[in-house]
Amino acid sequence: GAVVSQHPSRVICKSGTSVKIECRSLDFQATTMFWYRQFPKQSLMLMATSNEGSKATYEQGVEKDKFLINHASLTLSTLTVTSAHPEDSSFYICSARMTTGDYGYTFGSGTRLTVV
Amino acid sequence: AQSVTQLDSHVSVSEGTPVLLRCNYSSSYSPSLFWYVQHPNKGLQLLLKYTSAATLVKGINGFEAEFKKSETSFHLTKPSAHMSDAAEYFCVVTLGGQAGTALIFGKGTTLSVSS
Repeated sequence: GAVVSQHPSRVICKSGTSVKIECRSLDFQATTMFWYRQFPKQSLMLMATSNEGSKATYEQGVEKDKFLINHASLTLSTLTVTSAHPEDSSFYICSARMTTGDYGYTFGSGTRLTVV
Repeated sequence: AQSVTQLDSHVSVSEGTPVLLRCNYSSSYSPSLFWYVQHPNKGLQLLLKYTSAATLVKGINGFEAEFKKSETSFHLTKPSAHMSDAAEYFCVVTLGGQAGTALIFGKGTTLSVSS
């Protein structure tokens, strides 16, 4: 089945540094990738929609200059948290939708970001 | 715009008793609806999905859900709860058939199962 590989699974960084999270579609081409954020004991909130070869579409309230999304190829999308602060600590998860077959969604395993 | 409302933030049941997790949806178009489960510190697992075929959808681990358009509901049920069912459950909606359409998550329902 379709697999999205997300790395790293956990990362701890210092305030003010940047962190890059990668999501790769291993056996299919993901023209669109979705990035979600989940605070403890809360639901997943859509942050942005990443489209291969074009600018990402950000949801209202999400700072595009802080959360940089790059989707340079059909198999790789990255989310960079720039100048991270403790309030950015969260669980980040990516998702892609198949463009063939049952058009199902597949999720990465998530990245637990802790900013200290 | 589409959205989902999970009517209960927390449901507690005893092992062996039925489970009912309630979800209402709002959508201007024919929606696709999903139920996902998330165990502590784990990723998301798809339980089942409705995509305009049979209104009664059977999923994994004995779960099923019924799409009721007249009630705009998509409640999740299981006849007999197991301890391993304790987790967070999300009702999710999206517009069907469009690759660029994201999943919209409900706020989640925490299911607790006691022995």
